[in-house]
Amino acid sequence: GNSVTQMEGPVTLSEEAFLTINCTYTATGYPSLFWYVQYPGEGLQLLLKATKADDKGSNKGFEATYRKETTSFHLEKGSVQVSDSAVYFCALLHYGGSQGNLIFGKGTKLSVKP
Amino acid sequence: DTGVSQDPRHKITKRGQNVTFRCDPISEHNRLYWYRQTLGQGPEFLTYFQNEAQLEKSRLLSDRFSAERPKGSFSTLEIQRTEQGDSAMYLCASSLAGASYEQYFGPGTRLTVT
Repeated sequence: GNSVTQMEGPVTLSEEAFLTINCTYTATGYPSLFWYVQYPGEGLQLLLKATKADDKGSNKGFEATYRKETTSFHLEKGSVQVSDSAVYFCALLHYGGSQGNLIFGKGTKLSVKP
Repeated sequence: DTGVSQDPRHKITKRGQNVTFRCDPISEHNRLYWYRQTLGQGPEFLTYFQNEAQLEKSRLLSDRFSAERPKGSFSTLEIQRTEQGDSAMYLCASSLAGASYEQYFGPGTRLTVT
């Protein structure tokens, strides 16, 4: 079946450090891939997406590239800020018979220290 | 538009009681989704509606769970005879039918079954 595996947290970084959160997926066909973010006390927000192989999604300094050959969608940011502290979820959307429900990873908690 | 809203935000109930949650989607969105999120896990799909029709239900949605969207606007999720294992965050999301990848999430209802 379809699934998403992301690196376990928590991840603690100092401000301005480089961030990578690994995400790999298992799916038949060609799913769309997403990163969602959940700030403390808030709902899930779409951070970025990529709908086909080699697409790069980007937003707020975060980037992720859809790599079909490695079935990966790693999240990166060159210089994190304290305000980036949140839980990050990798997700896939497979249109198959399910008509578009998201399948999420377990989430990775990021804490950025000043 | 103020986004997806959910009510209540928190609910504490005793085992065996029935509970009902409400979700108000973004007004022009015709798709509405319910997810459940337990501690340390990503959200898991429960069910979704297109307008008033319930088009898919997950295996997670036991016969104690029922969801409705009677007029294609707000939705309710009812859990009968609650069990401690039902304790979780219940998330609602909405989207346009042609844009399932753009799901907007509400803040969630946290259910605690004692």
